[in-house]
Amino acid sequence: NAGVMQNPRHLVRRRGQEARLRCSPMKGHSHVYWYRQLPEEGLKFMVYLQKENIIDESGMPKERFSAEFPKEGPSILRIQQVVRGDSAAYFCASSPPSEGETQYFGPGTRLLVL
Amino acid sequence: GDSVTQMEGPVTLSEEAFLTINCTYTATGYPSLFWYVQYPGEGLQLLLKATKADDKGSNKGFEATYRKETTSFHLEKGSVQVSDSAVYFCALLYSGGYQKVTFGTGTKLQVIP
Repeated sequence: NAGVMQNPRHLVRRRGQEARLRCSPMKGHSHVYWYRQLPEEGLKFMVYLQKENIIDESGMPKERFSAEFPKEGPSILRIQQVVRGDSAAYFCASSPPSEGETQYFGPGTRLLVL
Repeated sequence: GDSVTQMEGPVTLSEEAFLTINCTYTATGYPSLFWYVQYPGEGLQLLLKATKADDKGSNKGFEATYRKETTSFHLEKGSVQVSDSAVYFCALLYSGGYQKVTFGTGTKLQVIP
């Protein structure tokens, strides 16, 4: 059973460009979560999605950030018009359908904005 | 709101030393508690977990006990190895419909030969 997969592992963007981060959950997992880790800090929750639904986006910045988890295909975290402060590691996690289940994390995408 | 507090690092130990990393939490209700480990340049791996009071989670020689009375979940290992060098995160998760994991800030462990 493959783990949570994220790509790309590293992404370099210039200010003003768009960044698209992809996450494929573990097989059988229908819940996806995105977290952001700023340098030397812990992970902060951004958004929680189920297939075709955003359940909780209380940790998402109100502008430029969006997330989706379509019926088919990976979950996408999209950052428009990136700024230097967006440079961070973005981690995706997935869990089975039951509430309160352990979340399993992917290897992360390290975004660098020049 | 919920929070997790970990001892600040870095913690530097010699190989075969005893390890304790303190973790306390603040939460309304009865969360599940976790320790995750992050090796350099990698994602988080689940190390161990406990879902109710007095449960002990254990894995790879590490263990932690869910102490409701002291709201703590300290991580211990009797004899650390160089390969244990990593950042350790304490975390909590509710089972009542709130699916976001709340993390501590992490404690960096360096084990020297």
